[in-house]
Amino acid sequence: GIQVEQSPPDLILQEGANSTLRCNFSDSVNNLQWFHQNPWGQLINLFYIPSGTKQNGRLSATTVATERYSLLYISSSQTTDSGVYFCAVNGAGSYQLTFGKGTKLSVIP
Amino acid sequence: NAGVTQTPKFQVLKTGQSMTLQCAQDMNHNSMYWYRQDPGMGLRLIYYSASEGTTDKGEVPNGYNVSRLNKREFSLRLESAAPSQTSVYFCASDPGTGGASIYFGEGSWLTVV
Repeated sequence: GIQVEQSPPDLILQEGANSTLRCNFSDSVNNLQWFHQNPWGQLINLFYIPSGTKQNGRLSATTVATERYSLLYISSSQTTDSGVYFCAVNGAGSYQLTFGKGTKLSVIP
Repeated sequence: NAGVTQTPKFQVLKTGQSMTLQCAQDMNHNSMYWYRQDPGMGLRLIYYSASEGTTDKGEVPNGYNVSRLNKREFSLRLESAAPSQTSVYFCASDPGTGGASIYFGEGSWLTVV
């Protein structure tokens, strides 16, 4: 199956700093998504981005499908950005989203 | 505006006991999923139902059974719980897009002692 690797595994930021999270995947994908899991465990879908670039407020994401990676950018980080960020992918015709192990982000005041 | 609702939220079981996790969605979605999340790991798919009347195994189906009761409801049953099934369980649904517009429930914390 498709392998998904995320880096870094842990990240500590001062409030206001910017960060880049990376997701590498081992095969062609039909679907790539970024999720945020808050400290209470709730999972929120941030971006559906199998290719190209999208922006939503302080967050943006870019996927280069031909090179099999995606990047999530967080600008002017806030304490509410803390939590775990997951990348998940699936191939054409597959219902099984394969998740990476996540990047745990801690934003400190 | 409930979205995906799971019950119970917390449960402690003894080894060998059985239980059913319930899940319901009110978004008229075709597909429903059960995932488990273990510490330091991403989510792994247990079973899914692409549409009403169908169910299929995911990555980690052993020890579980599912029922797609109707379009709204998808239950997960542990027939004989084992400590290895201690985990956080997430139900999810999407319109039938293979996860592209997926919504997750709030999770069910299960401990097997």
